[in-house]
Amino acid sequence: DAEITQSPRHKITETGRQVTLACHQTWNHNNMFWYRQDLGHGLRLIHYSYGVQDTNKGEVSDGYSVSRSNTEDLPLTLESAASSQTSVYFCASSFGEKETQYFGPGTRLLVL
Amino acid sequence: KQEVTQIPAALSVPEGENLVLNCSFTDSAIYNLQWFRQDPGKGLTSLLLIQSSQREQTSGRLNASLDKSSGRSTLYIAASQPGDSATYLCAVDTGRRALTFGSGTRLQVQP
Repeated sequence: DAEITQSPRHKITETGRQVTLACHQTWNHNNMFWYRQDLGHGLRLIHYSYGVQDTNKGEVSDGYSVSRSNTEDLPLTLESAASSQTSVYFCASSFGEKETQYFGPGTRLLVL
Repeated sequence: KQEVTQIPAALSVPEGENLVLNCSFTDSAIYNLQWFRQDPGKGLTSLLLIQSSQREQTSGRLNASLDKSSGRSTLYIAASQPGDSATYLCAVDTGRRALTFGSGTRLQVQP
C-alpha cells in the first residue's frame, strides 16, 4: 500500500547540532509539506514543495531548510538546532491542486 | 493573513449525542477546507474535504458544511461513540496548497 513515512520517530539532540528529519512518500504526489505542532500554536507551515527542485518558505521557516531532488523525498534540515525547535514535526503530501493532504506519523524532536 | 479559529476548545458529551464542532476563518478566498482527526501521539487522519464550490460533504456519521461568505464551517457528528474521542482540526487552503490550521477541538465521548 502507498504510504508516507517519517524517520526517526523520536530524536534527542543538543543545541547547535545539525539534524535532518526524513520524509518519504510512495504515492508519487507532487506536493510535499513540513509542519510543526506546538501546544498553543497548532500546526504551522515550515516549508513546502510543488515538485522536484521546487521549494518554498512557510510561516516559520527560519532555521530550517529543505531540498527536493526526487518526487518521493523531502528531508527537513535544522542547520543549528535550538531549544525553540523542540516540537513534533509532521510531513504531508498531496497530488495536485485542491486535493486531500495525507500526513505522516510525526517525529518528536527534543533539543537539549 | 488567514486565521482559523475553532470553538469550543474542548467538549465532553455522553455517548449517543449528536454534536457540532465549529470552525471560522477570516479570509473567505479559500480553495477548500479540510477536517482532520488526531488521536493522542498520532498523526492526522483526513475526514472530509470540501471544495470552495461545495456546501457540504458527508461520510458515514460525519457531515461537514461550508459557508464561504460568512467564513464558517461546521462538522456534525451523529450518534457519537467513545471511539470518536480525539482532537478534531479544521484547515483551509488559500491557494498555495499548503494548509492553515485551527487549534482544534478536543472531544471526549463518555460511555
